[in-house]
Order: sequence, then structure tokens, then C-alpha cells
Amino acid sequence: QQQVKQSPQSLIVQKGGISIINCAYENTAFDYFPWYQQFPGKGPALLIAIRPDVSEKKEGRFTISFNKSAKQFSLHIMDSQPGDSATYFCAASKFYGGTSYGKLTFGQGTILTVHP
Amino acid sequence: SAVISQKPSRDICQRGTSLTIQCQVDSQVTMMFWYRQQPGQSLTLIATANQGSEATYESGFVIDKFPISRPNLTFSTLTVSNMSPEDSSIYLCSVQGRTTDTQYFGPGTRLTVL
Repeated sequence: QQQVKQSPQSLIVQKGGISIINCAYENTAFDYFPWYQQFPGKGPALLIAIRPDVSEKKEGRFTISFNKSAKQFSLHIMDSQPGDSATYFCAASKFYGGTSYGKLTFGQGTILTVHP
Repeated sequence: SAVISQKPSRDICQRGTSLTIQCQVDSQVTMMFWYRQQPGQSLTLIATANQGSEATYESGFVIDKFPISRPNLTFSTLTVSNMSPEDSSIYLCSVQGRTTDTQYFGPGTRLTVL
């Protein structure tokens, strides 16, 4: 019940295209859904996150879409650039109030390659 | 944002030895975590480092193998004990700040056990 399933495992997109990565979760107690970006040799960095009180959140070229009834959320990268080539992880946790969150459960990761 | 440093950045160790990894944060944080990331894999939480008390370990991880210390709000160590080649992995320290819901990650320690 703690799993977060992420797809696809790898994704190749042309420069300027749209990259879409999907995640599904099982635990209905999860109510915080961040996406992390990881470059080789670096630790993951928070890209964007969403709480289930909204169905979509956009920051620049990055958008999270959230479907609470389907227990799914996705990351859309518009106008994908070669510099976006990295591994992307979705994650989920429970919000306990204030700034207190439970432990993160990560998806399996998606290796994104954007060709010039 | 929190700036996290880890030492060492990488190490090659012999089977049966132990390695202690340090995590230092530039500000006081509430939560500190240790993760393992095996090559090409996702992140798996090892334990939550609690300040002034014993760490909280996830299923499959035990204190004898991964002793953790957290003497204050900015520093923690993870020891990988009696290492075997299966312990070869990247070990990541992560923190959550006092006033933010964001969890920040350190650069990781790449461990190879021969």
C-alpha cells in the first residue's frame, strides 16, 4: 500500500517536444506529491510539488496534473530542452500540518533524454 | 534552501570494514534522513535520524548494520558496518527545514565495496 509506480522507465524526446511522466499511488493517506530531478553524480533536487487541494500546478515549463479519484499524478515538461535530460522521480508522503510531512515514498524513476 | 555537504564524496572499501559518512547542514533542521540509492535505482529510506534519541529504521534496515548518530540539529552520521559488495551504493543525506515542506538532498556518498 506504500508503493508509488512510475512510468515510463525511460523517455526520449526531441528538443521542443513535451515530456510526460506518470505516477500512480495506492495509499489514500498520501497528500503531498513532489517531483525531483537528479543529474548524474548529484543528489535529487525538488522540481515542483502539489497538494491535492488543486488539480494542476504550473511553474515555468513544468506542470503537475493531479487526479485524486484515479490516484494518479503526472509531470509535463513543455518545450523540452537538452538541459532537461536527467532522471526524474515522483514521490508521495502524508502531510501532518504546518511544515510537518511524513517520509517520502519514491517512484522508480524515469530517465529522460532530450535530443537537440 | 538548505545547503548540505557530505563527507566523503566517494570511497572504495574492503569487505568486512566499516565506513562512517558525515552529513552537515548550514542551518538547523527538524528532520534528517538517510537514503540508499543503488546504481540506476530509486531511493530507499534507511532511517530517520532523531536528535537526542535513537534513529527510526525502515523495514529491512537494522541499527547494528547502519548505526546513526545525530548529536545536534545540523549534523548526522551514518555508519555502514561490516561491509559486503552488496552495500555498494550511493548514500544520501536529506533534511527538512523548520519552516519549509521541502526535503533537500545532499550530493551523496558513492561507496564501492570490493
